[in-house]
Amino acid sequence: DVKVTQSSRYLVKRTGEKVFLECVQDMDHENMFWYRQDPGLGLRLIYFSYDVKMKEKGDIPEGYSVSREKKERFSLILESASTNQTSMYLCAIKKGRAYSNQPQHFGDGTRLSIL
Amino acid sequence: DQQVKQNSPSLSVQEGRISILNCDYTNSMFDYFLWYKKYPAEGPTFLISISSIKDKNEDGRFTVFLNKSAKHLSLHIVPSQPGDSAVYFCAAVAGAFGGTSYGKLTFGQGTILTVHP
Repeated sequence: DVKVTQSSRYLVKRTGEKVFLECVQDMDHENMFWYRQDPGLGLRLIYFSYDVKMKEKGDIPEGYSVSREKKERFSLILESASTNQTSMYLCAIKKGRAYSNQPQHFGDGTRLSIL
Repeated sequence: DQQVKQNSPSLSVQEGRISILNCDYTNSMFDYFLWYKKYPAEGPTFLISISSIKDKNEDGRFTVFLNKSAKHLSLHIVPSQPGDSAVYFCAAVAGAFGGTSYGKLTFGQGTILTVHP
């Protein structure tokens, strides 16, 4: 079974705080992704990484940064949290080359509320 | 610009009948398509996929059909079961067989499926 673990299921933070969301995998997959899910908008890609220390912007990277120092861990950072970043955040992993024909597998998500 | 669209926000079906979920796309570079199921408070679960070289893929009760000329795909669930009640997302990848897309998934907005006993 594919195992993707997100550090928190629910998180409440205040405006202006620096927020860290962690994602850990035990599958040794090369590719890791961060999405946010909002009602009526589906899932939108924030950032992804196809190797250690490598990162690429997704569709909505503004206000976020990422870190991948080890293969199994991919962190999403909200530099200065704002209320419009209240959302469900989902981490995903994918096996093989970045553009390979493989599905992504998701963690259970972190529901983040910014007050 | 919504490149992947699921125009039906919800679908209600009787247990044992067929559920048909639809998805349209606009980007002709999409060449790999996936369906995910999502329960509340859980992450999406991969269901089934299809590449653009095929027009049908089947896995148990789930069949995905791809009509490239119409830029349309559909997921058929037969027979539908109450446990199938969930949000279903279609997703597409451009350049899955090469290129620089890095396998990025573009998702539709989702369709809520309710299967009544």
